Amino acid sequence: ETGVTQSPTHLIKTRGQQVTLRCSSQSGHNTVSWYQQALGQGPQFIFQYYREEENGRGNFPPRFSGLQFPNYSSELNVNALELDDSALYLCASSFGLALPSDTQYFGPGTRLTVL
Amino acid sequence: AQKVTQAQTEISVVEKEDVTLDCVYETRDTTYYLFWYKQPPSGELVFLIRRNSFDEQNEISGRYSWNFQKSTSSFNFTITASQVVDSAVYFCALSGGGNTGTASKLTFGTGTRLQVTL
Repeated sequence: ETGVTQSPTHLIKTRGQQVTLRCSSQSGHNTVSWYQQALGQGPQFIFQYYREEENGRGNFPPRFSGLQFPNYSSELNVNALELDDSALYLCASSFGLALPSDTQYFGPGTRLTVL
Repeated sequence: AQKVTQAQTEISVVEKEDVTLDCVYETRDTTYYLFWYKQPPSGELVFLIRRNSFDEQNEISGRYSWNFQKSTSSFNFTITASQVVDSAVYFCALSGGGNTGTASKLTFGTGTRLQVTL
């Protein structure tokens, strides 16, 4: 048990819609990262938040956005959904200063299907 | 740019066999960190080990052992006396490149699916 939870577990949306995925980190974990994992692939870094500020972003378009809240919860928002957005979305939290040495602990993920 | 290669897509072994999962990485950074994660069918990535680039000592934890060789840019993972519960997808990952936000991102390989049968 990592203490990282995500909701919902599964979600089905249609192309063009918007979606919000949620993550709750362990108390004291002030860094949260989001990853997208397509079927049969390794997770791809979307972005990271440290103390409620975006702290780095991968090669994802601006329609992927996020928020981090003081209570160790966070959100991933995706606008104008496309079929290729279908994937497992993983949230990972870590305790530290958002450094490369920090170990990231992952939640169970949200499986998003876009029809 | 950083890259992690896990050339073995899928490995099948019979219980009690030893199995080694290969990981080769590319980075220009002098300081970096390597990780292994296990992903069972439930989907959650389970942290197994972290190793920094200055520590080339091999590590053993129960039936698991890791061989880090900087000269060949490899960080291989061996499971001794495999068990059915070891069946999962295993990912090798790399972070590094300074102290900015993207330095702490994990770059993952494509994973190796391990199937252990009776």
